[in-house]
Amino acid sequence: GENVEQHPSTLSVQEGDSAVIKCTYSDSASNYFPWYKQELGKGPQLIIDIRSNVGEKKDQRIAVTLNKTAKHFSLHITETQPEDSAVYFCAASANQAGTALIFGKGTTLSVSS
Amino acid sequence: GAVVSQHPSRVICKSGTSVKIECRSLDFQATTMFWYRQFPKQSLMLMATSNEGSKATYEQGVEKDKFLINHASLTLSTLTVTSAHPEDSSFYICSAPQGARGGYTFGSGTRLTVV
Repeated sequence: GENVEQHPSTLSVQEGDSAVIKCTYSDSASNYFPWYKQELGKGPQLIIDIRSNVGEKKDQRIAVTLNKTAKHFSLHITETQPEDSAVYFCAASANQAGTALIFGKGTTLSVSS
Repeated sequence: GAVVSQHPSRVICKSGTSVKIECRSLDFQATTMFWYRQFPKQSLMLMATSNEGSKATYEQGVEKDKFLINHASLTLSTLTVTSAHPEDSSFYICSAPQGARGGYTFGSGTRLTVV
């Protein structure tokens, strides 16, 4: 089955700096790669996703890149703000009806002002 | 957009009792529902996959007799934690795939505390 590795487990940056979180996956059949932000006591919120027919996707300060050959994808947050502080999870799936998302272990991002 | 309503959001129960968690798809038919468990400061771990009208598929290490899943209709999937113990205390969350639209819709989660 799919296995998703995520690094780093914790990341501390100064406000305004960029943050990068990286994930690798094992199943070459995976074609859907979302990123979730989870705040304390709440469920995960989708912040951006990418599919295997695209190499990069951007939404304002957030971007995701995908390298299918190397089986890795990354989340880039620019101009970080204190409200970006949260736990971020990457995930992967084959995005078919019977295929669940498999999550990485998460990255705790702390943005200090 | 697609919404999955999950209830209750929080529940405290006594050790040895059973707790039922419901996930309803409000504006679409969920033929499949994934159930996850998240312990504090850990990731979401897939517990089982339920399919409408058939038996659930459990991940390795998840006791099917302890975590009963029912998916009797296209809009309702339930997870019952039977004979709950303190170690079952966790955050349980359901998720439904969006088919042709792609992506997954998550419920808001249930915080279970067993005392």
